[in-house]
Amino acid sequence: NAGVTQTPKFQVLKTGQSMTLQCAQDMNHEYMSWYRQDPGMGLRLIHYSVGAGITDQGEVPNGYNVSRSTTEDFPLRLLSAAPSQTSVYFCASSYSVAGAMGTDTQYFGPGTRLTVL
Amino acid sequence: AQKITQTQPGMFVQEKEAVTLDCTYDTSDQSYGLFWYKQPSSGEMIFLIYQGSYDEQNATEGRYSLNFQKARKSANLVISASQLGDSAMYFCAMREEDNYDMRFGAGTRLTVKP
Repeated sequence: NAGVTQTPKFQVLKTGQSMTLQCAQDMNHEYMSWYRQDPGMGLRLIHYSVGAGITDQGEVPNGYNVSRSTTEDFPLRLLSAAPSQTSVYFCASSYSVAGAMGTDTQYFGPGTRLTVL
Repeated sequence: AQKITQTQPGMFVQEKEAVTLDCTYDTSDQSYGLFWYKQPSSGEMIFLIYQGSYDEQNATEGRYSLNFQKARKSANLVISASQLGDSAMYFCAMREEDNYDMRFGAGTRLTVKP
């Protein structure tokens, strides 16, 4: 049981380049999400998915695309990288979508540190 | 809109003493969950403790307890008997029922002194 895995761990891009951050979980979790972490701002939700084929926007979705073709994978695509997208990106998953009730919690991947020059 | 506030950018505590990390939140929903995460210097996010808005008792997990004051909309984390390994960033977060957007506070950096 690997939990939530993310690749790559580090990435440097030039402005305008595109790339995909990979995220996978082997816990059969319904809910998956992407966050970005910037200094002094905590984590902010980019996109989330409540199941295969279903995605929606979070707080800061501009410049990012996602898809969820399988329960296990939830890739994040940067279409045209900008310096403002320099950040640490975390993928997370949880068993159910009703996260507020009960003890359902999100499990986080190790993060991807992205620098856009 | 939900909002989380952590007013302490940094805190210091002596080893073996207790420390309280503050968190206040703002929501108009009656049903929500409150979470605390620890982020050590290695970068991973580690779940510590959860409190549901309808839970009558404060949550506890080992040396961690959550001082939940619903009327004041506060959810402070108490760490008892601090250890050097507790030095890390601590984030408070909230998710409303039926709202998939979990909001995080800016975090508090805790340093435990030997």
